[in-house]
Amino acid sequence: DVKVTQSSRYLVKRTGEKVFLECVQDMDHENMFWYRQDPGLGLRLIYFSYDVKMKEKGDIPEGYSVSREKKERFSLILESASTNQTSMYLCASSQGTSGRGSGELFFGEGSRLTVL
Amino acid sequence: GQNIDQPTEMTATEGAIVQINCTYQTSGFNGLFWYQQHAGEAPTFLSYNVLDGLEEKGRFSSFLSRSKGYSYLLLKELQMKDSASYLCAVSDSNYQLIWGAGTKLIIKP
Repeated sequence: DVKVTQSSRYLVKRTGEKVFLECVQDMDHENMFWYRQDPGLGLRLIYFSYDVKMKEKGDIPEGYSVSREKKERFSLILESASTNQTSMYLCASSQGTSGRGSGELFFGEGSRLTVL
Repeated sequence: GQNIDQPTEMTATEGAIVQINCTYQTSGFNGLFWYQQHAGEAPTFLSYNVLDGLEEKGRFSSFLSRSKGYSYLLLKELQMKDSASYLCAVSDSNYQLIWGAGTKLIIKP
């Protein structure tokens, strides 16, 4: 069974803390994505990666960075968390080489981050 | 700008049929996706339409009209487990996915 696993389901952090969200997929997918999901808004793309060590900014990259050292792992980093980064963070992966909007996405169960 | 519109919330009765609409305005079109998301869970893929017409998959069907910028998801023989949010997403000319805010479907006995 295909799987995308996110390291933490729930996190509570303080303003200014550094936050790591990790995502691992076992499907050998080329593409990996980080989204945030907020009530009343569509999914918003933060960063994506279509190959190891490659990364591209999505629609809202400010305040975030990413790392993809291995094909199966894609990490999202909040260098200095702020209250407006309180959100649900969803990791996803997909097969193929066409980039971020092609093919079925497989999502992790999400990481709900609260920044106090 | 690019935009996806879908109703915020809908209510339907168990055993009935419900149609969830999605209208879009995007720069180009490379397909439309529907995902289902139960509360607290990951979105899961339901359907993909790139040509006009109806695609049927069991109790769920998805329709696309590219000339009208319109799609719908049709759910038949509703079950309580169909209570979820349904997300519409369009792949634009750059293969960028544009997401709607989702439709929360409430099923009543």
